[in-house]
Amino acid sequence: AQKITQTQPGMFVQEKEAVTLDCTYDTSDQSYGLFWYKQPSSGEMIFLIYQGSYDEQNATEGRYSLNFQKARKSTNLVISASQLGDSAMYFCAYFMNTGFQKLVFGTGTRLLVSP
Amino acid sequence: SAVISQKPSRDICQRGTSLTIQCQVDSQVTMMFWYRQQPGQSLTLIATANQGSEATYESGFVIDKFPISRPNLTFSTLTVSNMSPEDSSIYLCSVPSRRTQYFGPGTRLLVL
Repeated sequence: AQKITQTQPGMFVQEKEAVTLDCTYDTSDQSYGLFWYKQPSSGEMIFLIYQGSYDEQNATEGRYSLNFQKARKSTNLVISASQLGDSAMYFCAYFMNTGFQKLVFGTGTRLLVSP
Repeated sequence: SAVISQKPSRDICQRGTSLTIQCQVDSQVTMMFWYRQQPGQSLTLIATANQGSEATYESGFVIDKFPISRPNLTFSTLTVSNMSPEDSSIYLCSVPSRRTQYFGPGTRLLVL
């Protein structure tokens, strides 16, 4: 079974600075996808960004970008210009391209943005 | 993008009772997923619900405890049966889409 590891239980960053959240995965699959979700205290899961294993470029969505290193099996989320509203739990999730489309989640990183 | 609603948004229940959670999607989807998030934990997949067939349960989850219905391509229910305090969690439904997966707002369940 795939294992998703987020080694940072908590991260602190000052407003307007950039922060990197780490995620590594263990798989022998060749075709897969990686998601990042944000979960504020309300509990909803907000999709942020997706990276496919065959994508040639690192994914970027606004202030969110991925540092995808396939050989190292890591996909780190970079949030630029942090805002107070970025304070939340962040989950990395793995998706195997077999058609079953279920997600395996990491343990999450709690990000706190200070003024 | 898919818009997903869940009912109820939260509930407080007594142990030994059952609660049915509804998930409604604004478009037709083949697959729907039900996840559980225990307090302070990550999300764990309970089961995959396909229309017209029985749900497929993940290891550690059984149909008697978490019966699921999928009567059509836009709706599903998850029942948490014979509840105990350990069932206190957020329950979320989700649907896949191209290069993403959308989640409902979740149902916060507290079992006393």
